[in-house]
Amino acid sequence: DIQMTQSPSSLSASVGDRVTITCRASQGLSTYVAWYQQRPGKVPKLLIYSASTLQSGVPSRFSGSGSGTEFTLTISSLQPEDVATYYCQKYFDVPLTFGGGTKVEIK
Amino acid sequence: QVQLMQSGAEVKKPGASVKVSCKASGYTFRSYGINWVRQAPGQGLEWMGWISTYNNNTKSAAKFQGRLTMTTDTSTSTAYMDLGSLISDDTAVYYCARSRVTFLSSSFGGFDVWGQGTMVTVST
Repeated sequence: DIQMTQSPSSLSASVGDRVTITCRASQGLSTYVAWYQQRPGKVPKLLIYSASTLQSGVPSRFSGSGSGTEFTLTISSLQPEDVATYYCQKYFDVPLTFGGGTKVEIK
Repeated sequence: QVQLMQSGAEVKKPGASVKVSCKASGYTFRSYGINWVRQAPGQGLEWMGWISTYNNNTKSAAKFQGRLTMTTDTSTSTAYMDLGSLISDDTAVYYCARSRVTFLSSSFGGFDVWGQGTMVTVST
């Protein structure tokens, strides 16, 4: 099975900072990768699919890039409401594996 | 609006089974597959399986094969997840989530609509 490895596992940044989260796949995935945000105590929310397409209603400070085995989620200007755990996921074929998550906190 | 509404919390003894329901509304149920994802306390997301609401085809993670059963009732737009032979490690919040793409797609598309989650506690 293809493994999804996220880094870092946690980070602390200041409001307004640019934040980058990386997800590496053990085999090539083309662009069949999604990113989710899960705020504390809440349901996961789809942010990005096809590696770089913003889901409707998601703020434009979120962006995704990458293809093959390396993918990134970037928050261009961190806001207090972005405190959450972020997960990548592969979705072309099963198993539809999630990364281990990256917890983002405000410094 | 498009939503998935799940059944309430469950407490089960080890060795028992649990059945969680997920009722869809606001869209054509048979057009989008349903996935089941769980999250143990303080842990990450774990994909369990997928069911096609179009033809009831299923796919599941290897670790659940043999004790995970997924079904649908198209007359009520409801999906069901039945997990048997429960152990304490199955204690988790269980989510249903809709695949973003229709049954015509060759991929599973990511999950764009999620249920509110169902807490399942396995304890003696």
